Amino acid sequence: GAVVSQHPSWVICKSGTSVKIECRSLDFQATTMFWYRQFPKQSLMLMATSNEGSKATYEQGVEKDKFLINHASLTLSTLTVTSAHPEDSSFYICSAPRGGREQYFGPGTRLTVT
Amino acid sequence: QKEVEQNSGPLSVPEGAIASLNCTYSDRGSQSFFWYRQYSGKSPELIMSIYSNGDKEDGRFTAQLNKASQYVSLLIRDSQPSDSATYLCAVNAGNAGNMLTFGGGTRLMVKP
Repeated sequence: GAVVSQHPSWVICKSGTSVKIECRSLDFQATTMFWYRQFPKQSLMLMATSNEGSKATYEQGVEKDKFLINHASLTLSTLTVTSAHPEDSSFYICSAPRGGREQYFGPGTRLTVT
Repeated sequence: QKEVEQNSGPLSVPEGAIASLNCTYSDRGSQSFFWYRQYSGKSPELIMSIYSNGDKEDGRFTAQLNKASQYVSLLIRDSQPSDSATYLCAVNAGNAGNMLTFGGGTRLMVKP
């Protein structure tokens, strides 16, 4: 069964609003989680590393003030897309390593900004 | 820059045949290697992990690792149309936490 969950699975929002996506590890603790974005027919792109109890590490070119990450507990990381615009429409996926080795992905959140 | 390379495909095989997917990586210090399957519109699903040289078999899947050649492969025996997907090779260098470096993926098409 699933070991990482995401909520919501899809969301439609209006331009200028903010959207929060949750990522949970279901039966294990994860001090680190990863957030990816994937556009249609393109590869996964790592956006940031979420660290429990400390600031997230963002990849080059990812605006940290636009994509707010909070790793509030050992089983929950959230990604907030602030002031969303149509170009932020994408498939957002989180992952978490279990046992320090194998990484499992959540089912993803499809964001559409109108 | 650490890289993971895959042929983008599509790789087309007939049903029942063996599909062979290949991946090369640039960082000799890499420790862990993974194969993910991604169906269109879905998130990646872990199907194999391999950590030492040689073969690892799980059902119809066999992962092969050759660290000297910096090469990892995935064999799918008795390919089924349901195996049609994009297969992602991922490498963990071992010195960047649990961060994975992904290849661009190989699209596999299994024709009935």
